[in-house]
Amino acid sequence: DAGVIQSPRHEVTEMGQEVTLRCKPISGHDYLFWYRQTMMRGLELLIYFNNNVPIDDSGMPEDRFSAKMPNASFSTLKIQPSEPRDSAVYFCASRGTQETQYFGPGTRLLVL
Amino acid sequence: GNSVTQMEGPVTLSEEAFLTINCTYTATGYPSLFWYVQYPGEGLQLLLKATKADDKGSNKGFEATYRKETTSFHLEKGSVQVSDSAVYFCALSGTNAGKSTFGDGTTLTVKP
Repeated sequence: DAGVIQSPRHEVTEMGQEVTLRCKPISGHDYLFWYRQTMMRGLELLIYFNNNVPIDDSGMPEDRFSAKMPNASFSTLKIQPSEPRDSAVYFCASRGTQETQYFGPGTRLLVL
Repeated sequence: GNSVTQMEGPVTLSEEAFLTINCTYTATGYPSLFWYVQYPGEGLQLLLKATKADDKGSNKGFEATYRKETTSFHLEKGSVQVSDSAVYFCALSGTNAGKSTFGDGTTLTVKP
C-alpha cells in the first residue's frame, strides 16, 4: 500500500487566497483525521471523520476552515480566505480497526 | 477527559547513552498506549504500542511497559544512535470515539 497520500507537499500563497489541501487515506481505513502542527501550538486535531461522516470538528479554528470527505478515498481541507497565522504543516492520518494512526507526509503551507 | 503528559524537552544525549522519556496519562476505561516518532520533515509514525496492562511494546531497540498502577508508559533505549534524533510523542487511544490523545512531544538530539 502507498500509505496516506497528501497533496500538495508544499504550498506558498498570499493572504486572502483560497487554499485546498487534499488527502487520500489508506484503502479500507474508516477513520480520517486532519491535524495542524506549529512550533507554538504543537500538534492539534482539527477534525475527524468516521465512514465519511464528520464526528468532531471542535478543533477547527474558525469558519474560514472547512473539511469534506465525499467518499472513502478522498478528503479536502479548505482555508478561505487564508491568513499568515495559518502557516503550518497540515497532516492527514487514517486508521482502521486497529487503533494505530497512519500519517501522511504533510503539506507545508506558507501564507505571505 | 483524557490527557497525556510527557517529559519536557529538549533532550540531548551522547551516542550510546541510555534514554528515558517519561509519559503519564489520565483516561477513563482501558486505553491502548502508543509511542510515535517524527523524523525531520516527515509525518508521525508508530514506534511501538501496548494494548493492556503489563504489556511491553518494543521496536528498534526501544521499549515501553504499560503500567496501570502508575498510569505510565515510559520510553527507554539502552544505547541511542545519532539516527534516533527525532521528536517522540506518547499517545493513548480506545476510550474516546475513535480519536487519539497525544502528548506535546519530546525532541531528542543525539550527538556523536
